[in-house]
Amino acid sequence: SAVISQKPSRDICQRGTSLTIQCQVDSQVTMMFWYRQQPGQSLTLIATANQGSEATYESGFVIDKFPISRPNLTFSTLTVSNMSPEDSSIYLCSVSPGQLNEKLFFGSGTQLSVL
Amino acid sequence: AQTVTQSQPEMSVQEAETVTLSCTYDTSENNYYLFWYKQPPSRQMILVIRQEAYKQQNATENRFSVNFQKAAKSFSLKISDSQLGDTAMYFCAFKSGGSNYKLTFGKGTLLTVNP
Repeated sequence: SAVISQKPSRDICQRGTSLTIQCQVDSQVTMMFWYRQQPGQSLTLIATANQGSEATYESGFVIDKFPISRPNLTFSTLTVSNMSPEDSSIYLCSVSPGQLNEKLFFGSGTQLSVL
Repeated sequence: AQTVTQSQPEMSVQEAETVTLSCTYDTSENNYYLFWYKQPPSRQMILVIRQEAYKQQNATENRFSVNFQKAAKSFSLKISDSQLGDTAMYFCAFKSGGSNYKLTFGKGTLLTVNP
């Protein structure tokens, strides 16, 4: 299994500001992902964080709003830019350690509230 | 596109009893994977059980088992001898068997185990 540390665990931010969420894994992993869970809703994939190249975004998500970095095989960041109250959600980091169809592990998430 | 439906927004069960959570999905693929994840109040997404579509045998993990009906596209979760710690949101998820790592989640079922 993989141990995932996600920071911050929660934050309250002002409209128009940006927040960067960090995801640190205790071992090298093949794939890292960022999910969003809006209040009372299920999880939606934002993007796949690719090591050494630009992230791959799902439909409805763009790099200008959610820039992602992945400088190595154990770390990634997600920035929520120019925030609005609609961005209030839980943001979760997820990893797949190796094989293509192996289980996904999740961090404990970042609870973001935008005023 | 695949869809995952959980028709029970909330369920409750008495401690030590058995409860079954429902999940149906829609796909045109023949090779795929199905998962049940548990999300307690801590927000941590925990993998409960995984089923490969090509396997006829239902997966089991201690007190957790599934009833996988491929033709009916049904994937229910049975929790036996329910414990207070089983109280959580339970999400059913689908993953294609190809190179796509994306998980498609249902909207979740809130399970409460009563003492």
